[in-house]
Amino acid sequence: GAGVSQSPRYKVAKRGQDVALRCDPISGHVSLFWYQQALGQGPEFLTYFQNEAQLDKSGLPSDRFFAERPEGSVSTLKIQRTQQEDSAVYLCASSLSSSGNTIYFGEGSWLTVV
Amino acid sequence: AQSVTQLGSHVSVSEGALVLLRCNYSSSVPPYLFWYVQYPNQGLQLLLKYTSAATLVKGINGFEAEFKKSETSFHLTKPSAHMSDAAEYFCAVSEYSGGGADGLTFGKGTHLIIQP
Repeated sequence: GAGVSQSPRYKVAKRGQDVALRCDPISGHVSLFWYQQALGQGPEFLTYFQNEAQLDKSGLPSDRFFAERPEGSVSTLKIQRTQQEDSAVYLCASSLSSSGNTIYFGEGSWLTVV
Repeated sequence: AQSVTQLGSHVSVSEGALVLLRCNYSSSVPPYLFWYVQYPNQGLQLLLKYTSAATLVKGINGFEAEFKKSETSFHLTKPSAHMSDAAEYFCAVSEYSGGGADGLTFGKGTHLIIQP
């Protein structure tokens, strides 16, 4: 497809389980963002990539959260030892560059930790 | 640091009535401002953005917003509400016209309800 694709769309994890969320950005998009959206809240910035370089990870809530984009295209957000407070929608977004271009969002990965 | 305040977590209007969703921002640098819409179980879609050109910005689906520096506001309006406008609306601010590299700072959202 032509948009940002995320998988899985829905994930139920048991507390303590590790999860991996995948993002396929729009082809050719240099910038890639991850956001966390808790229920009833606005999205909150987690991390930003320019190509394969992770330029900002200041929004990652703990060292259990890790993101990578090894080849400058697909990105994976990994959460280790999930906890209930990790339950949220994780949104991936991409843009052609970091300035002057529209950011396009995927439909999100809904994570529920039980 | 930047922040966004959206007044009213829920706004209800009748079909055909004026829609007004309020957004106030705080920014230490000239801001770039955005409105996004989110339909149930879908991602965010850009409605419009202010990038220091015209203060009145027209977007998709008949929405527009006016940047008022003196009031630090960027309220979203639509003259006549349609049932299909029912959704969650988010105001966002950034230091960058593209919303990068630090990304966007979002408000908590306003749920728009359209009464038949």
